[in-house]
Amino acid sequence: GEDVEQSLFLSVREGDSSVINCTYTDSSSTYLYWYKQEPGAGLQLLTYIFSNMDMKQDQRLTVLLNKKDKHLSLRIADTQTGDSAIYFCAEIRDGGATNKLIFGTGTLLAVQP
Amino acid sequence: SAVISQKPSRDICQRGTSLTIQCQVDSQVTMMFWYRQQPGQSLTLIATANQGSEATYESGFVIDKFPISRPNLTFSTLTVSNMSPEDSSIYLCSAVPPGRGYGYTFGSGTRLTVV
Repeated sequence: GEDVEQSLFLSVREGDSSVINCTYTDSSSTYLYWYKQEPGAGLQLLTYIFSNMDMKQDQRLTVLLNKKDKHLSLRIADTQTGDSAIYFCAEIRDGGATNKLIFGTGTLLAVQP
Repeated sequence: SAVISQKPSRDICQRGTSLTIQCQVDSQVTMMFWYRQQPGQSLTLIATANQGSEATYESGFVIDKFPISRPNLTFSTLTVSNMSPEDSSIYLCSAVPPGRGYGYTFGSGTRLTVV
């Protein structure tokens, strides 16, 4: 199948906002997700958005969804050094008998003190 | 306590051998999913495991290499068979536990090194 695309790397200064972008492939995806993976750690679900929403805010996180362009973004306000990690977007893809969660290529966020 | 428990957390194995990874969910789930994350890469879906039927494999993955068991609604295993160094990866299981909306939850992963 087609790849869910993300930019490879983003560097920001502590206290700035970070915006991580994702272009997904399946226009019929019902849910879109953001996950965080810290070095040597498992995968943490940050947030997800239903496809009939344009925006979802959860504390420092804001998700924007543009269905027309199949574009998803994650904004992290007041970025901290503890936010340094790899961020993956993921889409639900229709697998026939079951839906499948398909991951993007991942964006490494580096937060400079 | 963890929603999904996965073990072993890591292992170093000789080429040609097999390793079975276990995944336990603390509630009943219909589907469980197995992923592979090769070094420096994203997650790739290996297969979907439905209780009571054979697993459904993604393109590029075959049952002989990655046999999966799903004996009940809370447990699944993935075996990596006849291993080679190219199988060195992190393997993760996933499910959507009830009461957690539509959030796919992941086990902590198994870091496999084949020497």
